[in-house]
Parts: sequence; C-alpha cells; structure tokens
Amino acid sequence: DAGVTQSPTHLIKTRGQQVTLRCSPKSGHDTVSWYQQALGQGPQFIFQYYEEEERQRGNFPDRFSGHQFPNYSSELNVNALLLGDSALYLCASSLDRGSGRRTGELFFGEGSRLTVL
Amino acid sequence: AQRVTQPEKLLSVFKGAPVELKCNYSYSGSPELFWYVQYSRQRLQLLLRHISRESIKGFTADLNKGETSFHLKKPFAQEEDSAMYYCALSHSWGKLQFGAGTQVVVTP
Repeated sequence: DAGVTQSPTHLIKTRGQQVTLRCSPKSGHDTVSWYQQALGQGPQFIFQYYEEEERQRGNFPDRFSGHQFPNYSSELNVNALLLGDSALYLCASSLDRGSGRRTGELFFGEGSRLTVL
Repeated sequence: AQRVTQPEKLLSVFKGAPVELKCNYSYSGSPELFWYVQYSRQRLQLLLRHISRESIKGFTADLNKGETSFHLKKPFAQEEDSAMYYCALSHSWGKLQFGAGTQVVVTP
C-alpha cells in the first residue's frame, strides 16, 4: 500500500492562474481532507470530502473548491491565484464509513508545494 | 473560538534529558486531542491520542481539562526524537485544528 499519494509534488504558477492538485487516499479509506500549510505554520483545514460531497469547510474563500470521485480520489482547485496561496497543500485520508463517531487519525500525503509568482 | 497554542517554536535538549512540549487549547465542547509528528523527510503522522492513554516511543500526554492543556512528555530524549511536533484538536468528523508546531532538536 503506497499510502496517500499526491501530485504534482511541486509546481509554480503566476498570479491569476488556476491550479488543480490531486490526491489518492490510502487503500480502503473513504474520506479525504485538504490542508494548507504556510511556511512556519501548522496545517490549516480547507475542506473535507465524504461520499463525493463536501462535508465540512474551513475559513477559505470560494476560490478554493474540490471534488471527490467514486474511487474516493480527490482534487483541490484554486482559482485566481494570489501570492498568499503559496504553501504546501496536504491531503489526508481516513476511514469514516459506518463509524458514526469522530475520528482524528489522518494519514497524510507528502504534499504539493505550490509557489505563486 | 477554538484554538490550539504551542508556545515554543524550538526546543533544544540533550540526549537523555527530559523533554516536555507544551500545548494549550480552548474548546467549548469535550475535546479530542492528538499529537502528530513529522520526522525529517517523512510525512506527518499520528504519534498519540489522548483517548488511548498510551505511551508511544516513550512519549505520554495527559489531558488536563482544568488547565486546558495536553503537554507531551518523555523522560529521556533520544536523538531519533528530533522532529517537528504538532498538537491537534479534533472537531467533528475528523477535522483537525493544528497548533503552529514545536521543532525538537536532541543533541548528543
């Protein structure tokens, strides 16, 4: 099991452009969460997908959107990029199906480092 | 508002010395707290969670609701403990709120 995989690992964009980041969850996991980690900061929750629906969202503008596919993989899209969007974007997966309870153990990918010039 | 505070950005200790990483939180409900760790060139991973009340790699953490703290402790630090440590608070459905992290450096 390769665990959580993310692509691309690094990318450079210019202001105003759009970016799509991809994530494949750990085998057997059904929930994908996305986090933004700015330099020197802890990860900040962007949103979470479960059963192809956005289940929760953090304090991020609508420029940040996502999608989950039937195979549980996910994409994060950011439109109209700003310099402040430069960060490491982490994908994390977990298994929530049928648990009916809060779970905190997330399995993280290595991240996609986005630089906006 | 919910908040997780790790007051130390950097903690430098000698091998064999005790180490304590501080974490304070504010949360209106009944919290679930975790410590995540990131070793050099590795991905972020769970170290321990308060509900398990277990010791992992010699680390323990006790939830103190009166002081709203969840400090991470190890009596004898090892060089392999050098890493970035994040305290995290779980909201519903697995949403984690992380602190800013504490870099631990263990010197021989």
